[in-house]
Order: sequence, then structure tokens, then C-alpha cells
Amino acid sequence: EAQVTQNPRYLITVTGKKLTVTCSQNMNHEYMSWYRQDPGLGLRQIYYSMNVEVTDKGDVPEGYKVSRKEKRNFPLILESPSPNQTSLYFCASSSRDRDGGANVLTFGAGSRLTVL
Amino acid sequence: GNSVTQMEGPVTLSEEAFLTINCTYTATGYPSLFWYVQYPGEGLQLLLKATKADDKGSNKGFEATYRKETTSFHLEKGSVQVSDSAVYFCALPPRAWEGSNYKLTFGKGTLLTVNP
Repeated sequence: EAQVTQNPRYLITVTGKKLTVTCSQNMNHEYMSWYRQDPGLGLRQIYYSMNVEVTDKGDVPEGYKVSRKEKRNFPLILESPSPNQTSLYFCASSSRDRDGGANVLTFGAGSRLTVL
Repeated sequence: GNSVTQMEGPVTLSEEAFLTINCTYTATGYPSLFWYVQYPGEGLQLLLKATKADDKGSNKGFEATYRKETTSFHLEKGSVQVSDSAVYFCALPPRAWEGSNYKLTFGKGTLLTVNP
């Protein structure tokens, strides 16, 4: 089954304790991206990656890092989490094909993070 | 830049009622338009899309017509079911890949609850 898998699905941590949210896709997609979802703010892009070793900032990258060492994986790293990073996080992927602007993003099930 | 304005919820309906969720957008040119749905505890999944003006997207009894005159893409369903309870997002993809990014602009989401 074609899917994007995120782990963990739920995590409670404390301020300053480094954590990593993993994301893996099995569709051989070149493009991957992270979003966060917050009440009243909708979904905002954190980082994206067009291919292996190619990453760039989205709209809200502060406090996050990413890496893309393999095509299928795109982990989100919080080096020193703070309470304002409490949120629901989604990883998404897409192929870059001739569909131009109508490519569909496939989303993971989400990771709910609470930072105390 | 691109923006999406979506009817804010929550919306509560009885089973078999008619549903409309309004969505208007601001963008350059005539982009594709999407509706995504997020069922409880799950990630976002594409519900329907339209790739050009006057196109009608449809899926699972939901419909939306791309109207360029009113820059709208309202979601409708004639008879909702309890299983339709979810959060619905209107989304605007870029007209083409913007460099190496493919960032969707989302509305803030509308929570729909359908009671038996």
C-alpha cells in the first residue's frame, strides 16, 4: 500500500529534550515536506526537500531541522523543543511529474507533540 | 501571494441534511483547486480536485465547481452521513512548481459534525 508513515504518533516531552519525528514514504517520491497544524492557524509549511541532500525552509522553520540522506526518509528534528512547538505535525510527499500544479500531496497520519 | 478563505465552523448537521462549505481564493492566474478531508485521528487525504475553470470535482457524493468569475470552489453534498464527520480543507496548489517547492496554501479548515 502506498503510504507515508510517521513515528511517533503521540509524544509528550519536556522543554529542551531533543527529539526526532521520523517520516518514510514508499512511493519513490522526490518531494517531501513537513507541515504543522495549529488551531486557528491551519497548516503551515516548516521545511521541504526536493531530493536527496536538497532541503530548504518553508514558512515556519525556526526551531526545526531536517535531513534527507535517503530518498524515502525525511526526519524532522527538534534540537531543543519549546512549548510553542506543541502541535500536530504532518509529513507529506509527492512526485514531480508532468501534472504541473495539480500534483497531489500524500500525507502521513500525523504526529501529535506536546512539549511541557 | 496566494490565499484561501474558508467558511469557519464548526458545522453541525443532522444525517441526510444538505452541506455547503464555502471557499474562495486569491491567486495569480487559474490554478488547480483541491478539497482535502481529515477524518478523526488520521492525516489529510485528497477528497476531490478541479484543474481548470468550470471543472467539477466529485467524490464520495461530494462536489465542488471551480468558478473563476467568483474565485470560488464551494464544497457541497446533498445528503450527509455520520461517517462524513471530519475536518475539511480547501487548498490551493501553486500554479507550477515554484523552484523546488510545491507548497499548498490551505484554508483554516471546517469541522463538520453529523448527528444521527
